[in-house]
Amino acid sequence: DVKVTQSSRYLVKRTGEKVFLECVQDMDHENMFWYRQDPGLGLRLIYFSYDVKMKEKGDIPEGYSVSREKKERFSLILESASTNQTSMYLCASSLRAGWGVLTFGAGSRLTVL
Amino acid sequence: ILNVEQSPQSLHVQEGDSTNFTCSFPSSNFYALHWYRWETAKSPEALFVMTLNGDEKKKGQISATLNTKEGYSYLYIKGSQPEDSATYLCASGTGANNLFFGTGTRLTVIP
Repeated sequence: DVKVTQSSRYLVKRTGEKVFLECVQDMDHENMFWYRQDPGLGLRLIYFSYDVKMKEKGDIPEGYSVSREKKERFSLILESASTNQTSMYLCASSLRAGWGVLTFGAGSRLTVL
Repeated sequence: ILNVEQSPQSLHVQEGDSTNFTCSFPSSNFYALHWYRWETAKSPEALFVMTLNGDEKKKGQISATLNTKEGYSYLYIKGSQPEDSATYLCASGTGANNLFFGTGTRLTVIP
């Protein structure tokens, strides 16, 4: 089974802190994604990557950046965390180009105080 | 941004009941329709990916249909069990880099 592992299930950070959310997948998937989930809203795409060192903005990239130095690892970075970035963050990966089946991590719930 | 709507938002059914929910999406430039099940404290899990009008897929007691001309998909659960309790997400895409999720239907199966 493909596994997507997110480094932290729960984080509490202060406004202005730099935050790293790490995601690792173990099945050689080309594509990796970061979503956020907020109450009353569908999953919204922040960034995705279709190859090492490649990245594309999703629907809500403002306030975020990403890094993909190795195929298996995709990091989401909040340069200066703000309270409106309190959310559940989900990482996903897929094998096929285009929208193949997504395999998700268990999520990281971030609270920014 | 694509408007993907799911209904109902939530429902409670008795164990053994069959149930269904709807995902609506714009029919123009359709690419794919995904269904996922998301149990509390777990990862969302893929159920189905459908691309062709008239597609029907089945996995155990769960099945799904797709109508791309009118822009909807139904998910059916036959004989619901407590372990079917979860949020069911659908997502529709119009191309390789666009996949938009609905807000989900939260199903609670009462023993």
